[in-house]
Amino acid sequence: DAKTTQPTSMDCAEGRAANLPCNHSTISGNEYVYWYRQIHSQGPQYIIHGLKNNETNEMASLIITEDRKSSTLILPHATLRDTAVYYCIVSNAGGTSYGKLTFGQGTILTVHP
Amino acid sequence: DAGVIQSPRHEVTEMGQEVTLRCKPISGHDYLFWYRQTMMRGLELLIYFNNNVPIDDSGMPEDRFSAKMPNASFSTLKIQPSEPRDSAVYFCASSQAEGTGANVLTFGAGSRLTVL
Repeated sequence: DAKTTQPTSMDCAEGRAANLPCNHSTISGNEYVYWYRQIHSQGPQYIIHGLKNNETNEMASLIITEDRKSSTLILPHATLRDTAVYYCIVSNAGGTSYGKLTFGQGTILTVHP
Repeated sequence: DAGVIQSPRHEVTEMGQEVTLRCKPISGHDYLFWYRQTMMRGLELLIYFNNNVPIDDSGMPEDRFSAKMPNASFSTLKIQPSEPRDSAVYFCASSQAEGTGANVLTFGAGSRLTVL
């Protein structure tokens, strides 16, 4: 699976949009981008995933660049409860990587009042 | 659905003792994963099952670790004998295979293991 690069930490003001970047320059054509987060002392939580089109759900939006070498997770109105470690993961949806995810160090997002 | 259920939530044991962690996946999910999380190594995949069959156990650290899935609603991770370096939070997760769904994992709350 392609490796990802994320900033170690980011801050955001409550109520503002949080934009979390991820670089995945070695992504291959059949690899998806997945985002998970882990709130302190809890298990990781799935947020969103996409292949090449932008995606939106009730939690967040995912913007993938046209060359697919980077993406941005957007939390439109961050709250204190969004403080967590955010993981960007690239993985095949099939083959030997089916169902396997490799979690890196992620980005620690701190939302301030 | 109650989600992925793990037990015990906390376990403190002495070196050399046997430890058994339990997991009940979400009904209808056909993939089950065991992860371990430590400060030093982050989240690591230990083993995963598809339709109760172990598919990849390359992440299992050594022979002291074993995992079973006797049926679709139950899995165990056993450590025998336990060592202090096994202290970690162990997460169980499940998913279903439809489309890209196999990579959409639902995690349990974790079992925090401390080996003295």
